[in-house]
Amino acid sequence: DAKTTQPTSMDCAEGRAANLPCNHSTISGNEYVYWYRQIHSQGPQYIIHGLKNNETNEMASLIITEDRKSSTLILPHATLRDTAVYYCIVRVAPINPMKTSYDKVIFGPGTSLSVIP
Amino acid sequence: KAGVTQTPRYLIKTRGQQVTLSCSPISGHRSVSWYQQTPGQGLQFLFEYFSETQRNKGNFPGRFSGRQFSNSRSEMNVSTLELGDSALYLCASSQIVTGPNYGYTFGSGTRLTVV
Repeated sequence: DAKTTQPTSMDCAEGRAANLPCNHSTISGNEYVYWYRQIHSQGPQYIIHGLKNNETNEMASLIITEDRKSSTLILPHATLRDTAVYYCIVRVAPINPMKTSYDKVIFGPGTSLSVIP
Repeated sequence: KAGVTQTPRYLIKTRGQQVTLSCSPISGHRSVSWYQQTPGQGLQFLFEYFSETQRNKGNFPGRFSGRQFSNSRSEMNVSTLELGDSALYLCASSQIVTGPNYGYTFGSGTRLTVV
């Protein structure tokens, strides 16, 4: 099962900020939060990731609560091209790449974001 | 640099046949993961490979198998195809397995239709 829960769908007006929440209440101390998005019929695209500090890149900002049990992805000025399914996942980064088994990366159903003109 | 390349892009097979899908990761990426995506089940984890070894496996029957070669290219095979195997099969590669930079880069996928 996925370790995260997200709203099924959200709408956002074009030009406004889109705030996509994610709950990961069972996150462990060495697990990172990653966000991806998938535009229809394409492979998912990496957006951003973080451990405990807020992060920002050219695509988005990631706000992680102090207890790390939830996070919010912020698209500051949503455009029609941001319409997509957004996935929040958590995963521990293995310390030893030769470790015989890794934590599975499980994608939940994600949030379908519709940016409305 | 070139992205993750999956071939073929589209494939139509009949029930009972087998199929092999190919994934070439980004140069320098040593970890390759495979996912199945269907409208009803979403993205389902199949397996992950690193250094030619399967490191993890999802809950799929033994008809689904994979391998990774020394150049990190990976293939997955599905034998005795069923109608329910119709899906988009996605491959993702990542550069380093340790540390925070564990973002996946996905390919565009192979759309498999079983008739």
